Amino acid sequence: AQSVTQLDSHVSVSEGTPVLLRCNYSSSYSPSLFWYVQHPNKGLQLLLKYTSAATLVKGINGFEAEFKKSETSFHLTKPSAHMSDAAEYFCVPNAGGTSYGKLTFGQGTILTVHP
Amino acid sequence: GAVVSQHPSRVICKSGTSVKIECRSLDFQATTMFWYRQFPKQSLMLMATSNEGSKATYEQGVEKDKFLINHASLTLSTLTVTSAHPEDSSFYICSILLAGGPTDTQYFGPGTRLTVL
Repeated sequence: AQSVTQLDSHVSVSEGTPVLLRCNYSSSYSPSLFWYVQHPNKGLQLLLKYTSAATLVKGINGFEAEFKKSETSFHLTKPSAHMSDAAEYFCVPNAGGTSYGKLTFGQGTILTVHP
Repeated sequence: GAVVSQHPSRVICKSGTSVKIECRSLDFQATTMFWYRQFPKQSLMLMATSNEGSKATYEQGVEKDKFLINHASLTLSTLTVTSAHPEDSSFYICSILLAGGPTDTQYFGPGTRLTVL
């Protein structure tokens, strides 16, 4: 079964500085991976998804993630943080087999952006 | 992406009453919808998979008789919390699955905050 590990429970950056949210996956096959963002008391918004078509995936709001098989990583980055980026971010694998379509959420990474 | 709505956005009810939450897919037909629950400062937990025209499948530990799911059409799924208790207070979020092979993606609703007094 697929699983992911988000290496940081909290990340704090200053506005205008780069953002790096780390995600490592564990899978015996090429996974399907998503990054979702959740603002306080809101539903989740899809930032981007990896489906093996391209290793560098560009998402909304200036975010991108690079799938690195050699490192089993799918880190989320953004060159310059905005205050509005403050939220919780989830790296989520798409289940396969009989659980196809189901998403298993880990604890996520809370991003704080300071002025 | 797809637009998913939930109604109500917030509900407060007395212990022992039942509450119905609606999840609507506004621009796509969704044969599969999911219901999640999120307790404060915790991550989302999948409760059940709602399949149009058939019975929902529940995750381990989720009581099917307490959380009634009806997926009567391709654009509407409802979750009814029966005989609600304070421990059922949570943020309930639905999602729809847009299937297309490798690009299968879930789109989430804005959530419903349930408070049981």
